Amino acid sequence: EPEVTQTPSHQVTQMGQEVILRCVPISNHLYFYWYRQILGQKVEFLVSFYNNEISEKSEIFDDQFSVERPDGSNFTLKIRSTKLEDSAMYFCASSEARQYSNYGYTFGSGTRLTVV
Amino acid sequence: AQSVTQLDSQVPVFEEAPVELRCNYSSSVSVYLFWYVQYPNQGLQLLLKYLSGSTLVKGINGFEAEFNKSQTSFHLRKPSVHISDTAEYFCAVSADSWGKLQFGAGTQVVVTP
Repeated sequence: EPEVTQTPSHQVTQMGQEVILRCVPISNHLYFYWYRQILGQKVEFLVSFYNNEISEKSEIFDDQFSVERPDGSNFTLKIRSTKLEDSAMYFCASSEARQYSNYGYTFGSGTRLTVV
Repeated sequence: AQSVTQLDSQVPVFEEAPVELRCNYSSSVSVYLFWYVQYPNQGLQLLLKYLSGSTLVKGINGFEAEFNKSQTSFHLRKPSVHISDTAEYFCAVSADSWGKLQFGAGTQVVVTP
């Protein structure tokens, strides 16, 4: 079964550093997403991406964050100048974007980001 | 905008007993509803979804859920749980079948022998 692949599974970074979280969505999917789950809290939507541009973003997704699909297969989340409160599990997801489809919305297994 | 309320933060249950996890939503438009499961230190796995049609939805691992539009609920049930069902369960809503998901706070299910 097709999977969304995220790397690395765990990243530790120093406060103030930049990190890039990587995702390989399912190949025929058209919508891509990043979600965040701070430890013990709910999963929160960050951003959706379609047709090489951001289609929607939450209030969490400020200028510190950016997304890119650099080569047609990877989908990255860049976090600049990381803060302690950026520590969380970050999930990538992709979907088929077809009304009443068989629902191909699939999550990756996540990257646990720890800012120290 | 949509929102999701999961009424129970933790549900302890004995093995082979039934379990029901409650989920209520609010939305000004038609919604699509989902239940996801997260096992310890793992990602999110789709249990089941309601997109349209029959209001009783069957999913993986013996789970089912019923969409009740008048009560704006989508409760998840399993008639007999196993130890391996110990996990966190998230209800989610979307205005599109592919769009962003709004998650509830989650319900931790702890199954004991």
